[in-house]
Amino acid sequence: AQSVTQLDSHVSVSEGTPVLLRCNYSSSYSPSLFWYVQHPNKGLQLLLKYTSAATLVKGINGFEAEFKKSETSFHLTKPSAHMSDAAEYFCVVSGVWGSARQLTFGSGTQLTVLP
Amino acid sequence: DVKVTQSSRYLVKRTGEKVFLECVQDMDHENMFWYRQDPGLGLRLIYFSYDVKMKEKGDIPEGYSVSREKKERFSLILESASTNQTSMYLCASSYTSTGTSGNTIYFGEGSWLTVV
Repeated sequence: AQSVTQLDSHVSVSEGTPVLLRCNYSSSYSPSLFWYVQHPNKGLQLLLKYTSAATLVKGINGFEAEFKKSETSFHLTKPSAHMSDAAEYFCVVSGVWGSARQLTFGSGTQLTVLP
Repeated sequence: DVKVTQSSRYLVKRTGEKVFLECVQDMDHENMFWYRQDPGLGLRLIYFSYDVKMKEKGDIPEGYSVSREKKERFSLILESASTNQTSMYLCASSYTSTGTSGNTIYFGEGSWLTVV
């Protein structure tokens, strides 16, 4: 069994300040973990993914995430927020290798960026 | 870049109508998915397909069927649309990974369906 918890449903930051979106997971397997972003009326775009190669993962648009097994966390960060970062962010865990069935989505975090 | 195309972005249908949502991917992916996304409920898997003519029910298959006659195309069918099927529908595709690269899923832009 696996699960994903996004600890904040809404996060609000000022432009130019750091972003932290928190994600905890549980999995019976060595998981793959993903962060997706969804802008209004759009599909989900992959930001980054962790697949056991390196614990610090760099993604697009300056985002990065660190896999911490001891804390079962995969928090998403960005040093300086831009207005264009305002969107909803989803943390996703994929459990069984090769299984399309074992994907679990977090409930999403809505990021607001204030001018 | 992977492209997953949902041909209809916005549809308005009447209760009882048969509705087809079409999805095409251009990366020869084995797996294709249909999700629906509703406020407060997140993404829920309706059906997925891991090969041509193969399908498996997701978490909420009731009221839906699917068709995959060609590898690149996956259709979602609402046999008799109801108002509780008003939602955003997302198609997605992925490779079947047997290694450490993980199952990255690529999403389409979504189809907004309103049933009146």
